[in-house]
Amino acid sequence: GAGVSQTPSNKVTEKGKYVELRCDPISGHTALYWYRQSLGQGPEFLIYFQGTGAADDSGLPNDRFFAVRPEGSVSTLKIQRTERGDSAVYLCASSPQVGRGETQYFGPGTRLLVL
Amino acid sequence: AQSVTQLDSHVSVSEGTPVLLRCNYSSSYSPSLFWYVQHPNKGLQLLLKYTSAATLVKGINGFEAEFKKSETSFHLTKPSAHMSDAAEYFCVVSSGNSGGSNYKLTFGKGTLLTVNP
Repeated sequence: GAGVSQTPSNKVTEKGKYVELRCDPISGHTALYWYRQSLGQGPEFLIYFQGTGAADDSGLPNDRFFAVRPEGSVSTLKIQRTERGDSAVYLCASSPQVGRGETQYFGPGTRLLVL
Repeated sequence: AQSVTQLDSHVSVSEGTPVLLRCNYSSSYSPSLFWYVQHPNKGLQLLLKYTSAATLVKGINGFEAEFKKSETSFHLTKPSAHMSDAAEYFCVVSSGNSGGSNYKLTFGKGTLLTVNP
């Protein structure tokens, strides 16, 4: 079946602009996660959704970052007033449910470059 | 709190020789441990995971890992490297109390595996 998809695959923007990154999880997966991977680092947790609600947004770096999942499926990560330090690969993952050892299935990521 | 240390940022082996990628973890609760692989311009793929059953875990493509609680280690091994194994490998820990937080994956910094012909 189809895996997690993310669009766009690449995004170049200018400092100060607004961007939206989209994630389509695997059908039927109730849990959705966003991570950020900076160059030479492992992914870092940003936010987790169970259904439509953000159950944990403790990883969002500041209030310029916001994410929604209005119908419990597709999610959008929104970044306002982008900064050069926001340049990274943004990864989305989904899982059938949340629980001990539950596997998270990752999408290919969106590579964001802020000039 | 949880953390992961991958002891080598880069490992280079010859094709057909054994692979060892080292990982140590720290966790306040009984952890779940994972190894993910990331090929260039591809998404993260799960190789194997440990949740609390057998301490020796077998994964895809001939990889396996052994959970050693006394050493807080979860090293990844493969008896014979193949050219297609060249990629970045991430050791990952997930833990939390019985009430939750076991969804939050903490990744190591990664080990780049190169395989020489």
